[in-house]
Amino acid sequence: RKEVEQDPGPFNVPEGATVAFNCTYSNSASQSFFWYRQDCRKEPKLLMSVYSSGNEDGRFTAQLNRASQYISLLIRDSKLSDSATYLCVVNRLDGYNKLIFGAGTRLAVHP
Amino acid sequence: DVKVTQSSRYLVKRTGEKVFLECVQDMDHENMFWYRQDPGLGLRLIYFSYDVKMKEKGDIPEGYSVSREKKERFSLILESASTNQTSMYLCASSLFGTGTDTQYFGPGTRLTVL
Repeated sequence: RKEVEQDPGPFNVPEGATVAFNCTYSNSASQSFFWYRQDCRKEPKLLMSVYSSGNEDGRFTAQLNRASQYISLLIRDSKLSDSATYLCVVNRLDGYNKLIFGAGTRLAVHP
Repeated sequence: DVKVTQSSRYLVKRTGEKVFLECVQDMDHENMFWYRQDPGLGLRLIYFSYDVKMKEKGDIPEGYSVSREKKERFSLILESASTNQTSMYLCASSLFGTGTDTQYFGPGTRLTVL
């Protein structure tokens, strides 16, 4: 079983739609959670951190469910520019604190 | 602005060749990382370094080595390239030593081993 699992998609949605991605992680000791965004043929960039209480950044809302060990990302009012792959990222502490990246969920927003 | 650069965007090498991938960051970051990214597998950590001349194995270090002689530069070495090392290689850096700070990535090197 992968440490971080994501639905690979693609999610094809029209502009203005609301779309949600889920991610599950296997290590119950994980304490830090993030969403990174990776545009086609580009490097990953931090989109947002995920906090226990849930957090929002404009049209993006991230939530964490520790009991079920899943993280979600909600995008409201999708824009064409949101088309990208979204990487779920979780920490693993085994001597050093490392980030474990999911394989990503691809989003395609169409006119 | 944060800047991580990698020496090549594309490389083609032959099986058995020694390959050097260079990464430079200009942010005075403590930590540097090398990942490879393959479809369906995500980013996998090869090696990382939390200080000059220090290095630690990641999850898939076999067939690779690294060098960090200066704070800003972290090199990945494929001692004898093999076809299963064909991949996208991404370098990253982060400011602090906690390991969970924001990682800033370079543009990547797509390596093809024939």
